[in-house]
Amino acid sequence: DAGVTQSPTHLIKTRGQQVTLRCSPKSGHDTVSWYQQALGQGPQFIFQYYEEEERQRGNFPDRFSGHQFPNYSSELNVNALLLGDSALYLCASSYGQGRSFGPGTRLTVT
Amino acid sequence: QKEVEQDPGPLSVPEGAIVSLNCTYSNSAFQYFMWYRQYSRKGPELLMYTYSSGNKEDGRFTAQVDKSSKYISLFIRDSQPSDSATYLCAMSAGSGGSNYKLTFGKGTLLTVNP
Repeated sequence: DAGVTQSPTHLIKTRGQQVTLRCSPKSGHDTVSWYQQALGQGPQFIFQYYEEEERQRGNFPDRFSGHQFPNYSSELNVNALLLGDSALYLCASSYGQGRSFGPGTRLTVT
Repeated sequence: QKEVEQDPGPLSVPEGAIVSLNCTYSNSAFQYFMWYRQYSRKGPELLMYTYSSGNKEDGRFTAQVDKSSKYISLFIRDSQPSDSATYLCAMSAGSGGSNYKLTFGKGTLLTVNP
């Protein structure tokens, strides 16, 4: 039974570009949350998707947007990249009391 | 002031030592408390999950919660080199179900030396 998978593993972008990160939830999970983890910091909640709608949002600008598909997979989009967007982006899928994190996507903005 | 503060900073201990990790929080709405372990270049994995004040033990790990002081701790007994990782405290409000966001501390990098 595969856990949460994320793609790509790493990517490098230039300031001002746009990026899309992808997440496939653990089997049986219907909710997807995204977190940003800067180097040396704990993960910060970006937003959560359930039934293809954004249910909660953290303190992140509108440059961060997302989508959830009917198969519960999700995308995180970041527009107009800034150097400060360099971080590990974690996807967490959940159902009921269970929550699992993926391995993350390491984004470097140069 | 951050909602969750985590101490100590990077920690290096000899194998077999007892390790103590701590977090304080300011948001009284937090009801559920977790400790995650994160190995380098991996996602966090859940170690301990507690709700009420008091102690919860799981093998070499003990989690303590003191809601009156807004203080939680994780103790690791007989630490092993395989325990070397970053330890993150996390908290959530509400029923603790998966639809509640997690608020994390900044993490403590633990190194256990053979």
